[in-house]
Amino acid sequence: EAGVAQSPRYKIIEKRQSVAFWCNPISGHATLYWYQQILGQGPKLLIQFQNNGVVDDSQLPKDRFSAERLKGVDSTLKIQPAKLEDSAVYLCASSLEGTPRVEQFFGPGTRLTVL
Amino acid sequence: AQKVTQAQTEISVVEKEDVTLDCVYETRDTTYYLFWYKQPPSGELVFLIRRNSFDEQNEISGRYSWNFQKSTSSFNFTITASQVVDSAVYFCALSEAEGGSQGNLIFGKGTKLSVKP
Repeated sequence: EAGVAQSPRYKIIEKRQSVAFWCNPISGHATLYWYQQILGQGPKLLIQFQNNGVVDDSQLPKDRFSAERLKGVDSTLKIQPAKLEDSAVYLCASSLEGTPRVEQFFGPGTRLTVL
Repeated sequence: AQKVTQAQTEISVVEKEDVTLDCVYETRDTTYYLFWYKQPPSGELVFLIRRNSFDEQNEISGRYSWNFQKSTSSFNFTITASQVVDSAVYFCALSEAEGGSQGNLIFGKGTKLSVKP
């Protein structure tokens, strides 16, 4: 079974530039999560999708971050414009359903460096 | 408010030593889940265990064991006879089972374990 795929693996940009990350969840997984992991900290949820609808985006900085999951499969996370404090690893995870009773499977992450 | 505290930032042991990673959580929910994940240098989070709030039975899986105590709001993780391959950052996480944001994992800051040969 293929795991959660993410691209790119690494990205370096200058502040005020734009960047986009892509995530392909495990086939059949209805729930998709984007987490932000700043160096030395645990991951923090940015947004949770159930199929193509948003369940929770309360911690997404909506003035600069946006995410979509068209057709309820792949998802993209965009930052525009980027700030220095956005430097982090962005992790995508998926699960069969949006409850803690099932395991979340994580992708390898995209490491973003903002200069 | 939900919170997970992993007071140990870094632990270093010599191979074959036993090591316990501490996790203390806060939640107002009566139904919740606790997790441990391993993050090796490659960066991918690897699921280790899930425990629901109604199951306080301790669990053992090979060299790994978990001690869940609701009375002290703790969910500690012990590695017996540690090996170099156990070197990683370990995260404890909490998730509520009620409400609209089910599945959202609240992570601690992690404990970096270094096992030296």
